[in-house]
Amino acid sequence: SQQGEEDPQALSIQEGENATMNCSYKTSINNLQWYRQNSGRGLVHLILIRSNEREKHSGRLRVTLDTSKKSSSLLITASRAADTASYFCATARPNDYKLSFGAGTTVTVRA
Amino acid sequence: KAGVTQTPRYLIKTRGQQVTLSCSPISGHRSVSWYQQTPGQGLQFLFEYFSETQRNKGNFPGRFSGRQFSNSRSEMNVSTLELGDSALYLCASSLEPGWGSYSNQPQHFGDGTRLSIL
Repeated sequence: SQQGEEDPQALSIQEGENATMNCSYKTSINNLQWYRQNSGRGLVHLILIRSNEREKHSGRLRVTLDTSKKSSSLLITASRAADTASYFCATARPNDYKLSFGAGTTVTVRA
Repeated sequence: KAGVTQTPRYLIKTRGQQVTLSCSPISGHRSVSWYQQTPGQGLQFLFEYFSETQRNKGNFPGRFSGRQFSNSRSEMNVSTLELGDSALYLCASSLEPGWGSYSNQPQHFGDGTRLSIL
């Protein structure tokens, strides 16, 4: 079963707009990570946020984490056509070696 | 530094056959994990190896197995292939084992092997 659930399942935006996607999870975590997957390729690590952190930034990416609500959000600002991809959240639970992935959000950025 | 390399990229097999997939981790990375990705089940953890030992295993039947060599390269094997085994198999490497729990390091994924069962 999947630990994380992303919302929405799909998102279509215009180039230059911001894209926001959310991830909810069920159990306590050690950290939460966001990955991007372009069609037919592997996953690319974007950001890791630890359970004691509330917000992290990396370039045009901003991730928030609310452990009380067991949720996280990923914001992509000033989107570009190259941001078209599927985005996955993954959680690492304490004393658990594996990553548990959500179903992903498919983002399409229209030129 | 070269990334994670998986071979082959594409593979077509028939039911009942067996298959071996290969993964070369990033140089210096000692932990290798395998995931199966399908449209229906999403990304599912298969197993993780460190120092040639399987450290953790997901909920897959015994037909799925793997191993890791002294140079950290890893292989996974699927025997008696079934139609439902059609998937993208992804390998990921990280510096240390149990990284999610203890070292908060990301995993680095290869581009996967696309396995199709006819």
